[in-house]
Parts: sequence; C-alpha cells; structure tokens
Amino acid sequence: AQSVTQLGSHVSVSEGALVLLRCNYSSSVPPYLFWYVQYPNQGLQLLLKYTSAATLVKGINGFEAEFKKSETSFHLTKPSAHMSDAAEYFCAVSEEEGGSYIPTFGRGTSLIVHP
Amino acid sequence: DSGVTQTPKHLITATGQRVTLRCSPRSGDLSVYWYQQSLDQGLQFLIQYYNGEERAKGNILERFSAQQFPDLHSELNLSSLELGDSALYFCASSVAYGRVYEQYFGPGTRLTVT
Repeated sequence: AQSVTQLGSHVSVSEGALVLLRCNYSSSVPPYLFWYVQYPNQGLQLLLKYTSAATLVKGINGFEAEFKKSETSFHLTKPSAHMSDAAEYFCAVSEEEGGSYIPTFGRGTSLIVHP
Repeated sequence: DSGVTQTPKHLITATGQRVTLRCSPRSGDLSVYWYQQSLDQGLQFLIQYYNGEERAKGNILERFSAQQFPDLHSELNLSSLELGDSALYFCASSVAYGRVYEQYFGPGTRLTVT
C-alpha cells in the first residue's frame, strides 16, 4: 500500500528565501510521484511529476523536486519565494492498480510567504 | 482555468437529504475522477470512470454513487447526508488511463450539511 507523509502542515518563509517542502512516501513498487498546488478557492494544479526518468524534476513556476530512492523522499524546492507562491501544496504517490494510476495525497503543507 | 467545470459551486442542505454534483471534463478527456477534501480526512479519491465505465474505486461510501454519461459528463450522487459529509468535492479529468496522465481539476463544489 502506498502512503505519503508531508512534514510540517505550515511552512513560513520570507520573500526571496529558499522554499523547501518535505515529502516522504511509502510504496511497494517504484512509484510515480507528484506535487500539486492549490490556491484559495481553486482546484489542484499539477506542479511537476516524477515518472522514473530523471531524478531531478523541473516544474512550473520555478519549482523543482528531487527523487531520492534511498531516502524515499521527493522534496519540493524553489530558490526564491514570491508572494504569489503562497498556497497549499500536496505531495502524491501513485501506483498502477488494475490499469489505473490513482494518486494518494499527503495532508498538505500551507506555504506562507512574508514580505 | 483547467477546462473542467463543476456545478454548483456551493450547496447547503440538511441531514438526510440527497444531492447531485455535476462535472464536465475537459474537451477530449475520457476519464473522470471524483475526490473529497475535508479537514478530517484530507484529499481522498472516491471513484474513477472511463468512457462511461467504472475503472477504479476508492474510499467511497455506499450512500454515494456516481455515473458517467455518453456525453462524458459525470454526476456524483450523495444520499442520506450526514454532517460529516460536509466537504469540498472535486472532479478531475484526464485523457485516458493506463499511463500516468495528468489530471486536471475543477474548482470544486463546497457541500455544507446542516
């Protein structure tokens, strides 16, 4: 069974500072991993995904994540935070089951950006 | 704008009632997913349809049911509603299944059960 743990329900950074959102996963097979962002009153939007190609994945809005199998981690980073990055971020893991890939989501991390 | 539409945006109803949530996928997408987002449970997968047929089932209660119609829109029916059913319900769509296709999420329907 797959599961996702996001460390820290809230992360607070200053504008221009490094953003680091942590995600650890558990999966019985090589997983597919995702980061989604949810802005207030909106649905989720895919930031990036890992599908067993390059371990360093670049996404939209300057975000990237690195898949580390030995640490079962898929942390999300951005070198310099913008005010517009304030949102809820979800890590998800997906395994193949009956021909479908259904993501299991973490509980989310709220990113707060201070001016 | 993801291209996925959901109606209504907000729904307030009483315990014991039945409601129907509607979702129209992106043009060309054949697969539809339903999710429930609540403070207690987080974001939970409920059910997936592909081209009218059920493909995968998650933590969907027996009081809940869904279907996908020939025009590919989908409806999620929630009956005998309880206070704990209050949540955001998201629909997402993707091109197909069988590979890791990107899911596009709608804006959600906020259900409040009083």
